[in-house]
Parts: sequence; structure tokens; C-alpha cells
Amino acid sequence: GAGVSQSPSNKVTEKGKDVELRCDPISGHTALYWYRQSLGQGLEFLIYFQGNSAPDKSGLPSDRFSAERTGGSVSTLTIQRTQQEDSAVYLCASSLSQGLGTEAFFGQGTRLTVV
Amino acid sequence: AQSVAQPEDQVNVAEGNPLTVKCTYSVSGNPYLFWYVQYPNRGLQFLLKYITGDNLVKGSYGFEAEFNKSQTSFHLKKPSALVSDSALYFCAVRDGGSGYSTLTFGKGTMLLVSP
Repeated sequence: GAGVSQSPSNKVTEKGKDVELRCDPISGHTALYWYRQSLGQGLEFLIYFQGNSAPDKSGLPSDRFSAERTGGSVSTLTIQRTQQEDSAVYLCASSLSQGLGTEAFFGQGTRLTVV
Repeated sequence: AQSVAQPEDQVNVAEGNPLTVKCTYSVSGNPYLFWYVQYPNRGLQFLLKYITGDNLVKGSYGFEAEFNKSQTSFHLKKPSALVSDSALYFCAVRDGGSGYSTLTFGKGTMLLVSP
């Protein structure tokens, strides 16, 4: 597609349920990032995938969070046993390479609300 | 560790006046610097970047940014603000010294341009 696509755009879930958020990066982009945006908190790095390398999971806030990237393309972020503090906008981005000067392109985000 | 600071939560400017949104950074090596803009309920859009070369970088929508190595700053500027420039602006950095490819973002600055 023309840009990074995320689904769903909005998700309301009950506390304790599991959720899956999907990201479809720009075709040909080898790097993929997940960030979380909470009100007044800026963008919090979660996880980074680059090609076939092991992902950088250093930003995942707890073991309830996990992500995978199948076939070097689509990525799924899974949050198990959701808590109210997980409510945020989850943003996915991709970039053409892992080059330091390469800009990342963002999707529209998934707004997650845990009730 | 790489970090970015945006010292102003909000900047107010009248339409037609010049605007500046401030950003300072901390890295161990050469900085790779980026500005993004976020309109309401939208993902982040890339504005401009500094990799090397001229300290004044020009980007989208008439924006430019000035890299100052001695002050470790990368302030975003525009000679004449428009009401439509009102949005949330993020500065981001990668550290060339670490080779780390994840973008670290500041907390964002809300720009409000009044008619």
C-alpha cells in the first residue's frame, strides 16, 4: 500500500482481556517500530524489528506485551491481560532501511481503551 | 544514551509572525535529527531531517530547522506562521555513536497559531 496501515483504528476492551494490534508496513521497508503515545507522555518506544535480526524488545513495559513480525512484513503487537494503564494510542512506523539517517513513516495508530 | 528535550509544552504565535519550536539533544556520537508533526487524530508526518552538511535544513510546508552543534540544538522555524500550522510537533534523534537505529522522541510541543 501507499502508507503504513494499522488496524483496528479503535479498540475498546475489558480489563483482563487480550488484544492484538496489527501493522502493515510500507512495501519494501525492512525496519518496523512500535511506539505508544499517552496523553502528555510523548512517544514511548516499545519494540524494533530489522530484517532477520533479533528484535530489540528493550522498550516493552512488561511481559504482558509481545510482538512478532511474520515474513519480514506484517507485525502484530499483543497485549495480554490488559490493564487500564495500557490505554493509549499505539503507533507503528516503518523505514526503508536501518540507516541512521533514514526517516520513519508512521501509521494512523490504534487507539486502545481498556475499561 | 540518546535523549531529546523539548522545553516548551506549548508555543503560541500570531499568524504571520515567525515561529520557533525548540529542541535540544544528547548523544555520544554524531546526531541524526528529525522533526515530525502530528495533526489531531492523525499519525506523525515527517517534516525534515539533519544528517550532515549545511546547518540549515529545509523541509515540508515552509519549515526549516537549524542545527547547532555547540549548543546541541535543532530548533524548528518558520518565517511566517499559518493558522493551519497549529499541531503537535516532535523532535527525534538517533545516535551515530551507538549505531542504534531506534528513534528517540521528545515529549512534543503544541503549537497554537492564532488568527
